[in-house]
Amino acid sequence: DTAVSQTPKYLVTQMGNDKSIKCEQNLGHDTMYWYKQDSKKFLKIMFSYNNKELIINETVPNRFSPKSPDKAHLNLHINSLELGDSAVYFCASSQLDRVYGYTFGSGTRLTVV
Amino acid sequence: GENVEQHPSTLSVQEGDSAVIKCTYSDSASNYFPWYKQELGKRPQLIIDIRSNVGEKKDQRIAVTLNKTAKHFSLHITETQPEDSAVYFCAALGGGADGLTFGKGTHLIIQP
Repeated sequence: DTAVSQTPKYLVTQMGNDKSIKCEQNLGHDTMYWYKQDSKKFLKIMFSYNNKELIINETVPNRFSPKSPDKAHLNLHINSLELGDSAVYFCASSQLDRVYGYTFGSGTRLTVV
Repeated sequence: GENVEQHPSTLSVQEGDSAVIKCTYSDSASNYFPWYKQELGKRPQLIIDIRSNVGEKKDQRIAVTLNKTAKHFSLHITETQPEDSAVYFCAALGGGADGLTFGKGTHLIIQP
């Protein structure tokens, strides 16, 4: 009954590979997000998405693309992985018309070797 | 877009003492200010939040204050305990769907 779930929890892959991280929320929220947390613990938003719009942080390389098959899922696809992509990636969700805090997933630790 | 500054980056206090973490934000349209606690290897978890129509909110040993004029808000933890050791993040939410903007975090260390 986890509210926001991510898979996998750990992902180790070689440079140049393409990988995906899945995120699902069962809270009925209408907006989902991807955040990147680097080695210095800085949480930086990458994407936010609801039924109406996708907002992309302009600093995110176009190798990263969110894909939302339905309202409860927002998967993160990464092409041509680079060493600098190593980080913890957190999915989160919220209800846009209510001023509530976000609920985060448990995170995916991506290591590119 | 929104910019959130958080200080200090590391804070060490004796068990039982109080801890204060301060944040400033840049976007006067921001109207929601949550605080998250992140323990090592775990997800950020909401501990308290405040909306722009309120100046102060308290929940047991933690409290948050907001000064909209000065665009700053603070987290206060009283009677600190070892389990309070974690990284704390402040955040601000403006209008639209572009998400929470986080401060860079404060590593709070409670010394026994």
